[in-house]
Amino acid sequence: DAGVIQSPRHEVTEMGQEVTLRCKPISGHNSLFWYRQTMMRGLELLIYFNNNVPIDDSGMPEDRFSAKMPNASFSTLKIQPSEPRDSAVYFCASSSRSEQYFGPGTRLTVT
Amino acid sequence: EDQVTQSPEALRLQEGESSSLNCSYTVSGLRGLFWYRQDPGKGPEFLFTLYSAGEEKEKERLKATLTKKESFLHITAPKPEDSATYLCAVDGGSQGNLIFGKGTKLSVKP
Repeated sequence: DAGVIQSPRHEVTEMGQEVTLRCKPISGHNSLFWYRQTMMRGLELLIYFNNNVPIDDSGMPEDRFSAKMPNASFSTLKIQPSEPRDSAVYFCASSSRSEQYFGPGTRLTVT
Repeated sequence: EDQVTQSPEALRLQEGESSSLNCSYTVSGLRGLFWYRQDPGKGPEFLFTLYSAGEEKEKERLKATLTKKESFLHITAPKPEDSATYLCAVDGGSQGNLIFGKGTKLSVKP
């Protein structure tokens, strides 16, 4: 299996622009998670889906953030409009039981 | 509120010098404790899951143990390739929701 796939690996954008991060979970996994990692706050859960349905989005920082999972093999995290404080590494993870398997992450820089 | 605290924040060891990393947790009902390894520029890599006090898991030079309040990751005779950040996480009961500690950055010098 190729593992969790994320794209792009790096994204540099200007403040105010829309950013879309993409994730393909491991085939057969029924849960998908979006995390954000920064030096100050560590790894924070933003939102997670179970069987394509959003279960808990309490970690989404504000209305500028939205996530979708239209099918079992694809999810997006969108930031509109982006701000410099959104700069971080964003990880997608998937699981079928308790342990989660992480993708390589997208490093987002907002200038 | 569920909480995970890892110590120390950073640990420098000489090759062959054994030591332990600590993960203290506060959860209403522990459904699992997880250890991950993270290399620079990569996503966390799953190492172990522990479910109940007294349980132990081993993998090469690593051994994870669990009590009712904390977990230890013991590193025996570490090598430079063991250098990484080690993350601890707990499943406190919300379906699939893991709470992560901030990690211990381990450096092993030859």
